[in-house]
Amino acid sequence: QQPVQSPQAVILREGEDAVINCSSSKALYSVHWYRQKHGEAPVFLMILLKGGEQKGHDKISASFNEKKQQSSLYLTASQLSYSGTYFCGTDSGSARQLTFGSGTQLTVLP
Amino acid sequence: EADIYQTPRYLVIGTGKKITLECSQTMGHDKMYWYQQDPGMELHLIHYSYGVNSTEKGDLSSESTVSRIRTEHFPLTLESARPSHTSQYLCASSELGTNYEQYFGPGTRLTVT
Repeated sequence: QQPVQSPQAVILREGEDAVINCSSSKALYSVHWYRQKHGEAPVFLMILLKGGEQKGHDKISASFNEKKQQSSLYLTASQLSYSGTYFCGTDSGSARQLTFGSGTQLTVLP
Repeated sequence: EADIYQTPRYLVIGTGKKITLECSQTMGHDKMYWYQQDPGMELHLIHYSYGVNSTEKGDLSSESTVSRIRTEHFPLTLESARPSHTSQYLCASSELGTNYEQYFGPGTRLTVT
């Protein structure tokens, strides 16, 4: 079952913060986050494993709430380079593969 | 920087032609994947492999086939291309297990006329 991402799109000014959510109807083993710029391949951001671990990567961090079966990606003080489509990929353990959400298009304006 | 390559990057071909999309990686990864992605849409897994002589179908039904004769090489073949096959095809690789990041190739944008 495909995870649900929200919002579908967001427009920010440079320096503003954003939160992207990823929810699943299944119990999750791990959540991956990727960013894809227009015309390019997806690039890995981070993996969160079962256990509610929060990870950080520069000004981008994420949390994983196992009970709620959801993950959130936090972008702090957005930079122009953050623009792109963000995908979460979820692994419910039994599938042993990632199922990707429909993406959140993030646009950062100067 | 990921060392995963796809050729061709762009392909325009007529209906009924046989095509092979090439994917190679130099990272020694056992696991490889093929995803199909329409512009601005999500990635759909169509094939994956755990290693040499291992191939599995993904969530999205596809008329394509794959082979894995060498660890580094995972080509995708369409025996008879149709306009419905028009899409972007992304190859990826990773270490075994789902706790490892996937490295994506640059993609092949296929147009079938």
